[in-house]
Amino acid sequence: GAVVSQHPSRVICKSGTSVKIECRSLDFQATTMFWYRQFPKKSLMLMATSNEGSKATYEQGVEKDKFLINHASLTLSTLTVTSAHPEDSSFYICSARAPRRDWAKNIQYFGAGTRLSVL
Amino acid sequence: ELKVEQNPLFLSMQEGKNYTIYCNYSTTSDRLYWYRQDPGKSLESLFVLLSNGAVKQEGRLMASLDTKARLSTLHITAAVHDLSATYFCAVDISSGTYKYIFGTGTRLKVLA
Repeated sequence: GAVVSQHPSRVICKSGTSVKIECRSLDFQATTMFWYRQFPKKSLMLMATSNEGSKATYEQGVEKDKFLINHASLTLSTLTVTSAHPEDSSFYICSARAPRRDWAKNIQYFGAGTRLSVL
Repeated sequence: ELKVEQNPLFLSMQEGKNYTIYCNYSTTSDRLYWYRQDPGKSLESLFVLLSNGAVKQEGRLMASLDTKARLSTLHITAAVHDLSATYFCAVDISSGTYKYIFGTGTRLKVLA
């Protein structure tokens, strides 16, 4: 149980276009999801916390208008990179807060990641 | 500023040897997680440490947590090539946000 699916796994786009990445919890409801960004050979940097039915909470320095997050249902959060530029190229990973039965452990389940390349 | 630092950042070791990776953090927390990441892949959960003194073992890996020292260790026993990967610790900063802050990562290479 507790599977998180992220799609697409890889996307290549032209500069100026927008790209949407989906993160789904397949067998549980996720009231809270997280979006991370990882540069090559670096650690994961938390971009934002996505809460179902409310606005995302962005970390300091993350552009809200550049990285649009929508958490419209208990199983889906999306990250849209708007007007993408080469500097947005990165590995984006989502995670979902564990099902209610594991809330005390505060475990996060991670998606497989999306590699974005902006030409 | 909250910091989670791992040491060493890079580790090259021979098969059969033992070594320890350290994870130091700068805030109060009693929950810490260890993950493995292979090149180009996402994270694989290794250990969930939920209290001071917690010790977990799986195969050649053993993790421990000392919340008073704000320190977690990941010990590798008799390393094998398959353990080559990047290892991250992540600290639950609590405060009702459920957020993790990830460590700097340790790139481990086990030489055959």
